[in-house]
Parts: sequence; C-alpha cells; structure tokens
Amino acid sequence: GENVEQHPSTLSVQEGDSAVIKCTYSDSASNYFPWYKQELGKGPQLIIDIRSNVGEKKDQRIAVTLNKTAKHFSLHITETQPEDSAVYFCAASQAAGNKLTFGGGTRVLVKP
Amino acid sequence: SAVISQKPSRDICQRGTSLTIQCQVDSQVTMMFWYRQQPGQSLTLIATANQGSEATYESGFVIDKFPISRPNLTFSTLTVSNMSPEDSSIYLCSVGSTGSDTQYFGPGTRLTVL
Repeated sequence: GENVEQHPSTLSVQEGDSAVIKCTYSDSASNYFPWYKQELGKGPQLIIDIRSNVGEKKDQRIAVTLNKTAKHFSLHITETQPEDSAVYFCAASQAAGNKLTFGGGTRVLVKP
Repeated sequence: SAVISQKPSRDICQRGTSLTIQCQVDSQVTMMFWYRQQPGQSLTLIATANQGSEATYESGFVIDKFPISRPNLTFSTLTVSNMSPEDSSIYLCSVGSTGSDTQYFGPGTRLTVL
C-alpha cells in the first residue's frame, strides 16, 4: 500500500519568514495530493490540493509543488503569520473518492 | 463544501463500555469515511462507510470492534465497542463525492477511556 513520509515533524519560524514542509510517497499510482491544517481541538481543514497533471498550484500565501518523477511534494507558506501556527498534514490518494493516506504531520509554530 | 457535524464532541467513558458516534452532513454525499487520530499522531483510516451495505474495513480494524452504519447519504455512525484506554483518540468522519478527489472532515469526537 501507499506510504507517505513527512518532514520536518516540527518547524519554528519567525513571523514573516517562509515555511516549507516536504512529503514523499511510495506509490507511483497516486495522483491526488491534498494538504490539511489542523488547529487545536478542531478537525483537519483542507487548505490546498494538487493533482498529478499539475506541477505547481498557488493560493495567496500558500503554494504546493509536485515532482512526480521523484515522488515528492511540498507545501510552501510565505509571509507567515501567528495564525498559521497549527499541525499540517499531507496526504495522497490514487483515485477520486478513494481513501487518503496521511503523512505524520508537521507542527508549525510562528513566533511573533 | 459540505457542513459536517459530529456528536458527541467529546466523552469520557469507562472501560468495557461502548460509545456510538454520529456523523451528519448537510447534503447528500457519496463517500463517507471514519478515521482515528491517536494522541499526537496522524490520521488512520478505519473504514469506508457504504450506504446500504457493510462497511469496508482497513487492515487492523474489525467490524466487531468498530461497527458502522450508514442508513442514507447524509448520516453514519461509528461504534467503539468494549472500550479500553488504548481506544482514547479523536474519531473523525470525512465525506467526499464520486468523481471528486476532495474530502472534508468533521470536527471530530474526542474520546477518553478510563
């Protein structure tokens, strides 16, 4: 089955700096890669996703890149703000409506 | 995106008892899933809740321990049976639609077993 690894497990950045989280996946058949943000006491919230026919996607301060050959994808957060502090999860799936395999999560702390 | 609610939001239970968690969606959805998130850990899929048929369980999860019902396209329940402290986790439902990759999560049920 699919295996998703995520690094780093914790990330501390100064407000205004950029944060980068990286994930690798094992199954070349995976074609959908979402990122979720989970704040304390809440369920995961989808913040951005990318499909295998696209190399990069951007939404305001958040961007995701995908390298299918190397089987890794990354989340980039620019101009970080204290409200970006949360746990971020990457995931992968093989088909629409299919189950998600999650990475281990990254705890991001943005220091004012 | 669909609005998803879960009941209860949290509970403290005694070992050996069972708890049924409800997941309600404000619109019809094709796919419903149940995940477990152990303290400080990532999400692990328990099963896919199939409307009108038995749920599909992932390796390591069995129907006797986690019976699931899905009577219609907007509602599902997960029961955690014969609980032990190791069952203390956040239980999350998620929903998606056939032909769409996107999954949305409910707020979760925080279960503590004493």
